[in-house]
Amino acid sequence: QVQLVQSGAELKKPGASVKVSCKTSGYTFNIYGISWVRQAPGQGLDWMGWISPYNGNTNYAHKLQGRITMTTDTSTSTAYMELRSLRSDDTAVYYCARLRLPGSGYYSSYNYWGQGTLVTVSS
Amino acid sequence: DIQMTQSPSSLSASMGDRVTITCQASQDIKNDLTWYQQKPGKAPKLLLYDASSLEPGVPSRFSGSGSGTHFTFTISSLQPEDIATYYCQQYNTVPLTFGGGTKVQIK
Repeated sequence: QVQLVQSGAELKKPGASVKVSCKTSGYTFNIYGISWVRQAPGQGLDWMGWISPYNGNTNYAHKLQGRITMTTDTSTSTAYMELRSLRSDDTAVYYCARLRLPGSGYYSSYNYWGQGTLVTVSS
Repeated sequence: DIQMTQSPSSLSASMGDRVTITCQASQDIKNDLTWYQQKPGKAPKLLLYDASSLEPGVPSRFSGSGSGTHFTFTISSLQPEDIATYYCQQYNTVPLTFGGGTKVQIK
């Protein structure tokens, strides 16, 4: 069965960086894009961007440009999201999610999600 | 960015009631719309894609309709396990954007 398992909770100071991993299994990693979505405490869902494990192409939300990097390791079927220069308003649960359609770029809904990783930014 | 306006933000209904949520897009997104259910402390779960297609395994009491800018999500007969927050999301244009959510509670 398809599974996305994320790394554990993180506590970071303002200005630091965080790197969250998303280890996948149960499907052919290369052919489905992965997106990252975050949710601040008590708030709604916020799309952060997308990566193609096939060729490494990415598309990031404008407001995160310059602070975010998404990568994949096809040898371990793992996706990563690194966010730099953390601020208090980056405190959120971060989810990885697999696109429903293979090879669709980022124009698709998400039918498999990781369990979420809480990142807390506090001095 | 495409704005997704979801309403109501919360509602209370009785078991067995028909529940309807609307989602309005700020521009034409054709039928590139999905609906998710999220329970507290859990990841979102895909219910419907392409505005009206039911994800395999999702009960048939969930349905969706609409195209262009106006969309509707319906639970035909509310069940206890449907208590959750529901989100629409457009995937027509990047950045992909979500509605603000509708919290469904029991009256």
